[in-house]
Amino acid sequence: GAVVSQHPSRVICKSGTSVKIECRSLDFQATTMFWYRQFPKQSLMLMATSNEGSKATYEQGVEKDKFLINHASLTLSTLTVTSAHPEDSSFYICSALPSHGQGLEVEQFFGPGTRLTVL
Amino acid sequence: AQSVTQLDSQVPVFEEAPVELRCNYSSSVSVYLFWYVQYPNQGLQLLLKYLSGSTLVKGINGFEAEFNKSQTSFHLRKPSVHISDTAEYFCAVSAGGTSYGKLTFGQGTILTVHP
Repeated sequence: GAVVSQHPSRVICKSGTSVKIECRSLDFQATTMFWYRQFPKQSLMLMATSNEGSKATYEQGVEKDKFLINHASLTLSTLTVTSAHPEDSSFYICSALPSHGQGLEVEQFFGPGTRLTVL
Repeated sequence: AQSVTQLDSQVPVFEEAPVELRCNYSSSVSVYLFWYVQYPNQGLQLLLKYLSGSTLVKGINGFEAEFNKSQTSFHLRKPSVHISDTAEYFCAVSAGGTSYGKLTFGQGTILTVHP
């Protein structure tokens, strides 16, 4: 099956620093990628939709200046958490929607997630 | 907007016993329904999905789910579980059109299969 990787898998940073998380589709091209976050014992919440070559679309309540998304190629999207604070500590998960195929039959593939801890 | 409720946060079961993981949803529009499984340190993997047609959907690893529109439910079932089915299971919905693929997830159900 298709593989999506995330790097790093874990990161610990000091409050006020910025952290970049990469999401790569390893064996397929993805025009669209999604970013989710998951708090402990809670559900995954969609943060934003990342589209190659255009600006990301953010869900209501997500600060676009806080969570910068860049989808510079068909296999890479990055999420940068700027000026991170302890409340940004969470599990961040990306998914990628293959460019090939059509409509409802296209399956999205998920990365393993990145655990961010802000001290 | 949509919402998904998984009624059980944890389900313990013995090996070879049947299991049902419950999922209810609410939405003002027609939705598509999904079940994902997450093993430790791995990404979510699609078990099955309901898009249209037959309300009984069969997926991988012997799982199946039934879409019940009147009860707004999409419960996941397996007649006989294995130790290897121990994992966290997520029910999710997506609207159609340009919103397709934007998933709203339930809180997850941890299935633990005991020998």
